[in-house]
Amino acid sequence: DVKVTQSSRYLVKRTGEKVFLECVQDMDHENMFWYRQDPGLGLRLIYFSYDVKMKEKGDIPEGYSVSREKKERFSLILESASTNQTSMYLCASSFGSTGGNQPQHFGDGTRLSIL
Amino acid sequence: AQKVTQAQTEISVVEKEDVTLDCVYETRDTTYYLFWYKQPPSGELVFLIRRNSFDEQNEISGRYSWNFQKSTSSFNFTITASQVVDSAVYFCALLNQAGTALIFGKGTTLSVSS
Repeated sequence: DVKVTQSSRYLVKRTGEKVFLECVQDMDHENMFWYRQDPGLGLRLIYFSYDVKMKEKGDIPEGYSVSREKKERFSLILESASTNQTSMYLCASSFGSTGGNQPQHFGDGTRLSIL
Repeated sequence: AQKVTQAQTEISVVEKEDVTLDCVYETRDTTYYLFWYKQPPSGELVFLIRRNSFDEQNEISGRYSWNFQKSTSSFNFTITASQVVDSAVYFCALLNQAGTALIFGKGTTLSVSS
């Protein structure tokens, strides 16, 4: 089975802090994704990566950056956390080049609160 | 523009009832892919099915079935004889034009009571 592991289930940070959310997958997938999930808005794509050191902006990249130094790891960075970034963050990975049509497999999510 | 609409925000049923979750999509592509995911209370999204636009056969997997109709741009999901464990948020999704990421509907929360 595909395993996508997010480093924390719950995280509480303060406004202005730099926050790192880590995601690791064990299936040698080329593609990795970060989404945020908010009530009434569903899931929205923040960033994705289709290869090491490659990244593409999703629908809502403002206030976020990402890093993919190794194939199995994709980090989401909140440069200066703000209260409107309080949300559930979901990481996903999938097989195939440049996205492809293979199913995305998700981690358990990180519920981030910014105080 | 591509869009996925799940008009039903919440559905409540009693165990053993059948329930259908609606999904309507918009795309100008002739080749596209649709997905359904389940999100139980624990939070992780679980992949249920992928369907491409060339395959209009309905799919059945145990108590789950999917009805894909290109004529109405719908990809509906039916649970037969629902169980309490089916309680979850269900998302329908469309692969975007670039083939890079999923466009999700807002989800339907299904509550099954005993």
